[in-house]
Amino acid sequence: AQKITQTQPGMFVQEKEAVTLDCTYDTSDQSYGLFWYKQPSSGEMIFLIYQGSYDEQNATEGRYSLNFQKARKSANLVISASQLGDSAMYFCAMTSGSARQLTFGSGTQLTVLP
Amino acid sequence: NAGVTQTPKFRILKIGQSMTLQCAQDMNHNYMYWYRQDPGMGLKLIYYSVGAGITDKGEVPNGYNVSRSTTEDFPLRLELAAPSQTSVYFCASRSQGGGEKLFFGSGTQLSVL
Repeated sequence: AQKITQTQPGMFVQEKEAVTLDCTYDTSDQSYGLFWYKQPSSGEMIFLIYQGSYDEQNATEGRYSLNFQKARKSANLVISASQLGDSAMYFCAMTSGSARQLTFGSGTQLTVLP
Repeated sequence: NAGVTQTPKFRILKIGQSMTLQCAQDMNHNYMYWYRQDPGMGLKLIYYSVGAGITDKGEVPNGYNVSRSTTEDFPLRLELAAPSQTSVYFCASRSQGGGEKLFFGSGTQLSVL
């Protein structure tokens, strides 16, 4: 069975600084996908970034980058130049199974301080 | 651009009542999913469907039923509501062969009292 572990229940970062949110995963599949979603207090799920297991380059989307270390089974999210609007819950997730359903971690609550 | 539409947004049920959460997508996606999110937790998969007429159980299916008679609609049925079903419910969809990204609805906040 697939498992996603996020060990940081809460994180604080100063505005304009970079922050890394940790994510480790466990799977026996060779083909899988790793995601990060943002959930602000309003509740919607916002897609941030995706990394395929066969992708050799780390994924980047604007201020977001995914530090993919396959041998260590980690997929950390790096947010550069944090903004107050980045304060939210962040979920790491992984696709699995023939229907590619997502398995989610428990999330990290990020607070950006002015 | 409707995307994934969930109704209702909020609902309060009494113990033992039944209801159907509606989910519709207008992107012609084959795959659809129902997740629940308990307070302070990640999302857990309830049921999923790979196409009209095909559904399967996820991690937490007990107390729920689904049907998929059309590509667009994937309703979630709660029978005999219990307080443990108090949660936020998300519907999501994705296309087959169109990449891994899931498109989420805005969620339904359900309270069972």
